[in-house]
This record gives sequence, C-alpha cells and structure tokens, in this order.
Amino acid sequence: ETGVTQTPRHLVMGMTNKKSLKCEQHLGHNAMYWYKQSAKKPLELMFVYNFKEQTENNSVPSRFSPECPNSSHLFLHLHTLQPEDSALYLCASSPQGPQGDGYTFGSGTRLTVV
Amino acid sequence: AQSVTQPDIHITVSEGASLELRCNYSYGATPYLFWYVQSPGQGLQLLLKYFSGDTLVQGIKGFEAEFKRSQSSFNLRKPSVHWSDAAEYFCAVVGGKLIFGQGTELSVKP
Repeated sequence: ETGVTQTPRHLVMGMTNKKSLKCEQHLGHNAMYWYKQSAKKPLELMFVYNFKEQTENNSVPSRFSPECPNSSHLFLHLHTLQPEDSALYLCASSPQGPQGDGYTFGSGTRLTVV
Repeated sequence: AQSVTQPDIHITVSEGASLELRCNYSYGATPYLFWYVQSPGQGLQLLLKYFSGDTLVQGIKGFEAEFKRSQSSFNLRKPSVHWSDAAEYFCAVVGGKLIFGQGTELSVKP
C-alpha cells in the first residue's frame, strides 16, 4: 500500500450506468489529483484539488464529475460514458499544491465501458 | 508550455546488461524532474527525483539519473538490470503541474 487507496480496483459499466470511483489518503496531503491512463498515450491530468477546491479542470467532458468533500477523499462520478473512456484511472496526492514535491499514487481503477 | 518526451517506446535488454532510458523535457525555468516505475496493474512508484544541487541523483532499486541542463535531458540508468526491473518507466516534470512522458516499456531477456 502506498498510502493512497483507490476503490474499486476494477469496474465494468454500461454506457447508461452511473458509478463512482473513490480515492482516500491519510498522508496529511492537501492536494489531490485524477489522472487518466489510456493505452499508448501519456498519463493525462484530469482534475486538481488543492485544499478541497478545484484548481484545474483539464478540459474534461462533463460526463466525469469530481467531488472532494475533504482533503482526504476524492471521488470521480461517472455517467453516460463512452467506450473510449475505458482506461486506468489513477488518483494521486501531494503535501502541497501541484508545483510541489511528494506525489503519491494509488494503484488505480481499471474501468471498462461496454 | 512544459512537456516531456521519452523517445523510446519499448526497450529490450539482457539480464545483467546496463540500461539507459532517455528523457527530454521542455520547461522555461529550472524544472523539478522525476522518474516513476509502473508494474502491470499497479500504480506509479517514485524511483528518484531532481530539484537542485548535484546533477547525478540516486534512487531506489539501484537506479540513478543525470540532469543535463544543456541537453534538457534527465536520463535514467542502471548498471546491471534484473528480471524484476521489467516494467514501464515514466519521466515527469513539475512546472505548475505534474506532466508525464509517454513512457518506455522495458523488457528483460534471461
């Protein structure tokens, strides 16, 4: 365990389903992130939260909706996804904002959209 | 804008041989540079990082990397590769946010 826990590890969902990914860290970090990792493509930064406030949305479609209720938890709510959204979704946290040190990654959620 | 390029998509080396993975970055100021490793089905583990000071940095698992400002490079090296090093390796730069290269997949031949 790295200190960042993601659930579920695997998720298969239909295009009309609604599901949520969960990320939890108890490292005392103040910044949390969602990254998308697709085959043959670099990791894409999706969202950044710093002290529970969203500071970056990297042109992510609205079918992805993040939520950060506190500094320890980050969710990614999914609805009406497309097959091309199938990917590994990685959560990360860091002690301070995006410019800082000490990013810790979770093991990811492998999402398959059918 | 910051960017990272890893020119090699896939590299195969024999066990016991030396390894060098290339990374070039683009960033206007002094970058924070990182190398991460990802085993199949796993998240990313930090191997090493460079912020300032000595341009040769040591990391975990016997890896090292050298920062060369004149070449905008941060290549990862290991003198003797083990079969367990087979994984995907990502170079990354922080300059406002953490941005990754596309990764290099390392295969190790017995």
